[in-house]
Amino acid sequence: SQQGEEDPQALSIQEGENATMNCSYKTSINNLQWYRQNSGRGLVHLILIRSNEREKHSGRLRVTLDTSKKSSSLLITASRAADTASYFCATDSAHSGGSNYKLTFGKGTLLTVNP
Amino acid sequence: NAGVTQTPKFQVLKTGQSMTLQCAQDMNHNSMYWYRQDPGMGLRLIYYSASEGTTDKGEVPNGYNVSRLNKREFSLRLESAAPSQTSVYFCASRYRDHGYTFGSGTRLTVV
Repeated sequence: SQQGEEDPQALSIQEGENATMNCSYKTSINNLQWYRQNSGRGLVHLILIRSNEREKHSGRLRVTLDTSKKSSSLLITASRAADTASYFCATDSAHSGGSNYKLTFGKGTLLTVNP
Repeated sequence: NAGVTQTPKFQVLKTGQSMTLQCAQDMNHNSMYWYRQDPGMGLRLIYYSASEGTTDKGEVPNGYNVSRLNKREFSLRLESAAPSQTSVYFCASRYRDHGYTFGSGTRLTVV
């Protein structure tokens, strides 16, 4: 079963506005990652936040992590039409005694930024 | 350019045919993964290999086999393709506690 669940499933905003996407997960994690996927293309890693971190910034991206609530949020500030894509959260968790790691994805949020 | 290379990019198979999807990475990563992505879904893990010589099942392994040929290469084989295996397949690799690097995908259609 999929670990992460993004909310909302779809988001439409105007250029220049901020976009916030949320993610909830179920089990303990090593880290949580956000990826972007343009239509018909591969996944691009955006940002990683470790389980002992609460907030991280990268350019126009801000990620928060609340391990007590098992949730994360991705904020994209001053959005651009080029930000139109699907955004996925993914949790990296250890298995098999802690030596093997697997990345488990949510179903994604489709972000549309209108010019 | 360093990264994950998948071949082929597109493939059409008839039901019952077999094929192997190839994946290679040149970043000296230990762990490699195969995912499938269906419309409206996130990626689901098929198989993974934590290191050369080891492979483990993921969430949806039925109908697939894998081979970790060496540290660089991790192949995915469909022995008898079924329409339910129509999907986009992504290979990825991982280095320690960093983000995963994904290939550009193989779009497979089984008719």
